[in-house]
Amino acid sequence: AQSVTQPDIHITVSEGASLELRCNYSYGATPYLFWYVQSPGQGLQLLLKYFSGDTLVQGIKGFEAEFKRSQSSFNLRKPSVHWSDAAEYFCAVGGGYGGSQGNLIFGKGTKLSVKP
Amino acid sequence: DAGVIQSPRHEVTEMGQEVTLRCKPISGHNSLFWYRQTMMRGLELLIYFNNNVPIDDSGMPEDRFSAKMPNASFSTLKIQPSEPRDSAVYFCASSFGSGGGYNEQFFGPGTRLTVL
Repeated sequence: AQSVTQPDIHITVSEGASLELRCNYSYGATPYLFWYVQSPGQGLQLLLKYFSGDTLVQGIKGFEAEFKRSQSSFNLRKPSVHWSDAAEYFCAVGGGYGGSQGNLIFGKGTKLSVKP
Repeated sequence: DAGVIQSPRHEVTEMGQEVTLRCKPISGHNSLFWYRQTMMRGLELLIYFNNNVPIDDSGMPEDRFSAKMPNASFSTLKIQPSEPRDSAVYFCASSFGSGGGYNEQFFGPGTRLTVL
């Protein structure tokens, strides 16, 4: 079955520190991978996506993610976190066939808090 | 473009009442998705339309839920009768293409539903 696991429910980092949010997936076909961010009271906004090609993907707001097929992972990174990055982050996988084409499978999310 | 528009932003109703949530997708997008977000279950896809036709409604929890898309610029999600366990944030999203699993989905701000 298709699934996405975000092992960390809540992470706290200091402003200026580096960040890595973990995402593991289980998917039978070639995965299409996404990271979304949700600020409080807002909808989800796409940070970046991976379909094919270079396994290191650059996104908005200084985020990047690396696809590692051997580890079934798509971890999100940022070298220096800003207070405005405090939000909830969702990893998602898609690219299925038939009726599941419409489906993005979302992880449960990781809430990021930033200490001053 | 104004993005995906949802109304109302907040809805408080009493158990047994009918609730109608509305969504206007981004102009030119031909896929529309309704999601429900709760603390316990995370983000769940309820139904997915492509070119105004429901493609996958396997996520609709029960017959009390129904969704329509009479034209390319409008969709409704109706709950009748509503129950307290329906309390959640309901998101509408839209994308361009035949499968949401492949394409970026643009999310609306959500409707926070509280059923007393």
